[in-house]
Amino acid sequence: AQKVTQAQTEISVVEKEDVTLDCVYETRDTTYYLFWYKQPPSGELVFLIRRNSFDEQNEISGRYSWNFQKSTSSFNFTITASQVVDSAVYFCALSQNFGNEKLTFGTGTRLTIIP
Amino acid sequence: DAGVIQSPRHEVTEMGQEVTLRCKPISGHDYLFWYRQTMMRGLELLIYFNNNVPIDDSGMPEDRFSAKMPNASFSTLKIQPSEPRDSAVYFCASSLRLAGGVGTDTQYFGPGTRLTVL
Repeated sequence: AQKVTQAQTEISVVEKEDVTLDCVYETRDTTYYLFWYKQPPSGELVFLIRRNSFDEQNEISGRYSWNFQKSTSSFNFTITASQVVDSAVYFCALSQNFGNEKLTFGTGTRLTIIP
Repeated sequence: DAGVIQSPRHEVTEMGQEVTLRCKPISGHDYLFWYRQTMMRGLELLIYFNNNVPIDDSGMPEDRFSAKMPNASFSTLKIQPSEPRDSAVYFCASSLRLAGGVGTDTQYFGPGTRLTVL
């Protein structure tokens, strides 16, 4: 069985601070995919990043960066110089190979950026 | 290019009524997923299709729920009869099979349908 744990239920930081959202996953597969989605107050789910299990390179996209470590089964997400528009619920998710393509989501982390 | 389209965006109905939610996937995508989001259970998969064929419906709560995909551009999720505990946001998502057939590419979500059953 696969599982995604986001231990941080809620985080509040002051604008311009850096913040890291944690994600720990469990899977028996050797090939799998990890995702982060953002759910702003308007409710839609916005795709942020997809990573496959063979690519452990960290990724940076503007103020966003992701740290994937297979040794600790973690896929953490850092926002640098946070902005009020970053306030949202962030979900980490896991999917596997052909025949098991569904996304297993974590419970989400609600991030509030205080102006 | 248009994203995943869901209708209606909001639905309020009374217990016992039939509810039909609709989804149009991104053109060319061959996977379609239905998810439900509640405070208690978070985001959970209900059912998914590949090339219009249901692959895994183990998440469908009970026989009151049914889903169909009559063609590549349309799917429905029906609840009959509806109950208050069905109140949730229902998301539809679509994706494309990866080259080589080892899983699917990113799932893109529609805006969701917020269902309230009184």
